[in-house]
Amino acid sequence: DAGVIQSPRHEVTEMGQEVTLRCKPISGHDYLFWYRQTMMRGLELLIYFNNNVPIDDSGMPEDRFSAKMPNASFSTLKIQPSEPRDSAVYFCASSLGQGVLFADTQYFGPGTRLTVL
Amino acid sequence: ILNVEQSPQSLHVQEGDSTNFTCSFPSSNFYALHWYRWETAKSPEALFVMTLNGDEKKKGRISATLNTKEGYSYLYIKGSQPEDSATYLCASTLTNRDDKIIFGKGTRLHILP
Repeated sequence: DAGVIQSPRHEVTEMGQEVTLRCKPISGHDYLFWYRQTMMRGLELLIYFNNNVPIDDSGMPEDRFSAKMPNASFSTLKIQPSEPRDSAVYFCASSLGQGVLFADTQYFGPGTRLTVL
Repeated sequence: ILNVEQSPQSLHVQEGDSTNFTCSFPSSNFYALHWYRWETAKSPEALFVMTLNGDEKKKGRISATLNTKEGYSYLYIKGSQPEDSATYLCASTLTNRDDKIIFGKGTRLHILP
């Protein structure tokens, strides 16, 4: 299996622009997670999906952030409009969901490094 | 508020030496404790998941213990090698919250040749 796939790996954009980050989870995994990693706050859970349905988006920082999972093999995280403080590395992860949620191993993608100028 | 604390933040260890570091978490309503290894420019890779008090897990030269009553976990590395250089993250979840996983900020380990 190719693992969790994220694109793009790097994104540089200007303040005010829309940014879309993409994720393909491991086939057969029922759960998908979006995280943000910054120096100040470490790794933060933004939102997670179970069987394509958003379960908890309380970690999403603002209304400028939205996430969708139209099918089992694809998810997007969108920031509109983007701001310099959104600069971070965004990770996607997936897990099988066979055990209890958050006791299951999560498999992380390589991340998208976002820079908003 | 759930806080997961890791110490030390950074650690330099001579190749061949053994080392350990700590993850502290709230002991009330404990659910699960994860350790991840995160190499620079790569993604976090799961090492262990532990759920029971007294759990001990081992993977090669790396092992971990869990004390849920006092709210800490230790990660041990025996005979450090250069490839052990990485950031080690722990993460915890509680039972009485909306399902969340909270990560510590990691211990950055540097192995000196």
